[in-house]
Amino acid sequence: DTAVSQTPKYLVTQMGNDKSIKCEQNLGHDTMYWYKQDSKKFLKIMFSYNNKELIINETVPNRFSPKSPDKAHLNLHINSLELGDSAVYFCASSLWGQDHTEAFFGQGTRLTVV
Amino acid sequence: DAKTTQPTSMDCAEGRAANLPCNHSTISGNEYVYWYRQIHSQGPQYIIHGLKNNETNEMASLIITEDRKSSTLILPHATLRDTAVYYCIVYNQGGKLIFGQGTELSVKP
Repeated sequence: DTAVSQTPKYLVTQMGNDKSIKCEQNLGHDTMYWYKQDSKKFLKIMFSYNNKELIINETVPNRFSPKSPDKAHLNLHINSLELGDSAVYFCASSLWGQDHTEAFFGQGTRLTVV
Repeated sequence: DAKTTQPTSMDCAEGRAANLPCNHSTISGNEYVYWYRQIHSQGPQYIIHGLKNNETNEMASLIITEDRKSSTLILPHATLRDTAVYYCIVYNQGGKLIFGQGTELSVKP
């Protein structure tokens, strides 16, 4: 069974469109994250939710809106897509407050904006 | 910003030990050293972590200097499948994993 699963794996869309990426984890974790990896391969954290509450919100355009309907899901909705949003987006999960936090990552969603 | 410094790239012969260094001179007393790796096009994968003592698991060993300002990840018998980008991360419980540029390890036959 896949621990952290993201859908879709690939997403090609036009500028100006609105799209969503879904993430689900079956590990019983209480914290989930979204990371963005750009063409230069840098992994940057975007958001983190703990028990459905937003706890980390990096400097991200407000066109990006995460939503956590429950602890097992963290979706990312992007409005008015721009060329610069093209990247690979990774979802991750972990247990909050553990001294041996091991974050599990999904396989990524490759978003291409044309 | 990442609090670690790693070489950009390293090569290792298949079957030999791969020793990946990391400097974290500003690490605080309650911060852990974590290692992750990212095999091409996949999500990052946890390898090992430690606070003060050396650690070993089925994947690797982590050697942390006594002053905790640097550490070395050791893959005892590197295989071609170990070719990946390896990230050394200083993590504060309850904080966030901040990835630096990592070390691109190439294991060659």
